[in-house]
This record gives sequence, C-alpha cells and structure tokens, in this order.
Amino acid sequence: AQTVTQSQPEMSVQEAETVTLSCTYDTSESDYYLFWYKQPPSRQMILVIRQEAYKQQNATENRFSVNFQKAAKSFSLKISDSQLGDAAMYFCAYRTKSGNTPLVFGKGTRLSVIA
Amino acid sequence: GAGVSQSPRYKVAKRGQDVALRCDPISGHVSLFWYQQALGQGPEFLTYFQNEAQLDKSGLPSDRFFAERPEGSVSTLKIQRTQQEDSAVYLCASSLTGLTGANVLTFGAGSRLTVL
Repeated sequence: AQTVTQSQPEMSVQEAETVTLSCTYDTSESDYYLFWYKQPPSRQMILVIRQEAYKQQNATENRFSVNFQKAAKSFSLKISDSQLGDAAMYFCAYRTKSGNTPLVFGKGTRLSVIA
Repeated sequence: GAGVSQSPRYKVAKRGQDVALRCDPISGHVSLFWYQQALGQGPEFLTYFQNEAQLDKSGLPSDRFFAERPEGSVSTLKIQRTQQEDSAVYLCASSLTGLTGANVLTFGAGSRLTVL
C-alpha cells in the first residue's frame, strides 16, 4: 500500500522568508501524481501544486515550487517570500496513475508565519 | 454550483443518534469522494462514486457508515448509532471525470461532527 510521510508536524517562518516542507512517500508504481494541498482554518482544502512523476522538471506555481526527487521518493514544497496568508496546514498527497485509487494524504504540517 | 457545498457545517450528536451529512458537488462532476479527517490528522478515504455507482467503499470503517448518490449528483453520508470515535470532519470532494488522469479534486469545507 502506498504511504505518505510528513515528518514535520509544525514549522514556522518569518514573513518574506523562504520555508521548505518535507514529504516522502512509498510506492512500487513508476507513474503517479503528487500534490500539495493547503487547508486554512476554514477547512477548505485548496490545491497548491501538483507534479506528474514522469516529468523531470519540478513544478512551480508563483511563490510555490517543489523539489521532486523520484529515486529518493521525496517531494518537498518550497514557499518563497512567505506571506501571513500562507499560514495553514499543508498536506502532501499521492495518487497512482492507473487503476481506481483515491488520494492518499500525509498527516500534515502546520505552518505558522511570523510577522 | 460554483463549488462543493456541504451541510451541515457543524453537527453535535448524542451517542447512539443517527446523522446524515450532505454533499452537493460541482454541477457536471462525475466523481465524488468522501474523506474522514480526525483532529490533527490528514484526510482518510471513505468511499468513491462515479455518477450514481459506488465503485469503492473500502474505507468505510464499519457497517454503521453508509453513503449514497442516487441520481449521480447530491450525495449523503449516513452514520447510524454514532460513537465518540466518529467525531471528525467529513470532507466531500468532486472531480470532473474519473480517477484516471490528473483530475484535480475540489473539496468542500467539510462537516464537523462531534459525538457526545
């Protein structure tokens, strides 16, 4: 079974600084998708960024970028120029590309942004 | 609608009471998922519908949990004889097509169930 591990329960960052959230996963599949979701106190899960495993290039979305290391099964999220609105729970998630399997989530990292 | 709508937003139930949680997905979305999120944890998969067909219910924790989507749009998650361990946020998500492909899930704001 696939598992997703987020080893940092909590992280904090100064406003305007950069922070990296870690995620590792375990799978025997060769092609799959990886995602980072943000969950603010309102509880609505918001997709931050996604990566397709067969793509070598790391995905970027404005201030958010990933460092995808397929051999190491690592998928970290870098947030640049952190803003107060970035404070939230961040979840790493995995899904296989084939078959009917749902998203598998990690336990999350709570990010605090200090003004 | 514009987003995934869930109701009620908050529900307090006495132990043993039955509850029903509603999810109204984005219009036209084929796939619908239910997740359970315990306090301080990540969401755990419960069940998946493609249109009105329940294709996967492997995550339902017991036979007290039942989900339906009779007309392929609105879905209801029912929990019978609630127990304290059922206390959690129940998230609903929908996507335009099936599980193949990088279909992005759009989540609702969840229903927080507290069982006393």
